[in-house]
Amino acid sequence: AQTVTQSQPEMSVQEAETVTLSCTYDTSESDYYLFWYKQPPSRQMILVIRQEAYKQQNATENRFSVNFQKAAKSFSLKISDSQLGDAAMYFCAYRTVYGGATNKLIFGTGTLLAVQP
Amino acid sequence: DTEVTQTPKHLVMGMTNKKSLKCEQHMGHRAMYWYKQKAKKPPELMFVYSYEKLSINESVPSRFSPECPNSSLLNLHLHALQPEDSALYLCASSQDFNRARTYTFGSGTRLTVV
Repeated sequence: AQTVTQSQPEMSVQEAETVTLSCTYDTSESDYYLFWYKQPPSRQMILVIRQEAYKQQNATENRFSVNFQKAAKSFSLKISDSQLGDAAMYFCAYRTVYGGATNKLIFGTGTLLAVQP
Repeated sequence: DTEVTQTPKHLVMGMTNKKSLKCEQHMGHRAMYWYKQKAKKPPELMFVYSYEKLSINESVPSRFSPECPNSSLLNLHLHALQPEDSALYLCASSQDFNRARTYTFGSGTRLTVV
């Protein structure tokens, strides 16, 4: 069974600085999706970035980028120029590309990010 | 419209009450999901509907009863809940269950059982 591990329960960063959130996963599959979701106090889960395992190029979305190391099964999120609005719980998630009953999002335990002014 | 709308935002109910949570999307998505989330924990999948048919029930107690009247609407009927059922209930949708590349979540209903 696939698992997702986030080893940093809490992180803190100064405004305008850069922070990296860690995520590792375990799977025997060769093709899958990886996601970073942000959940601010407003509660809505917001997609930050998505990576498709067959793509070697790391995904980027403005100030957010990932370091995807497929062999190491690592998927870290880098937030550059941190802003107060980045403060939230961040969840790493995995999903198989294959159909069937196992085709569901598997979440890590989350990292609570605080941004200091 | 790129949103998933959940109502109500907050709900307090007694253990003998019957209530319903509602989720609506108008993005043409054919898969809809219910998740339960406890504080500072990841969401836990409860149910999946694909093309208005129940595809996955993650062994959820029968006091939770899902319903998908049409492709845009998903309900969760609640009856005889326990205090430990107090949680944030999130609804999500995706274009398709098997080939979903992204999921859109609602803001959730904060449920308190007293």
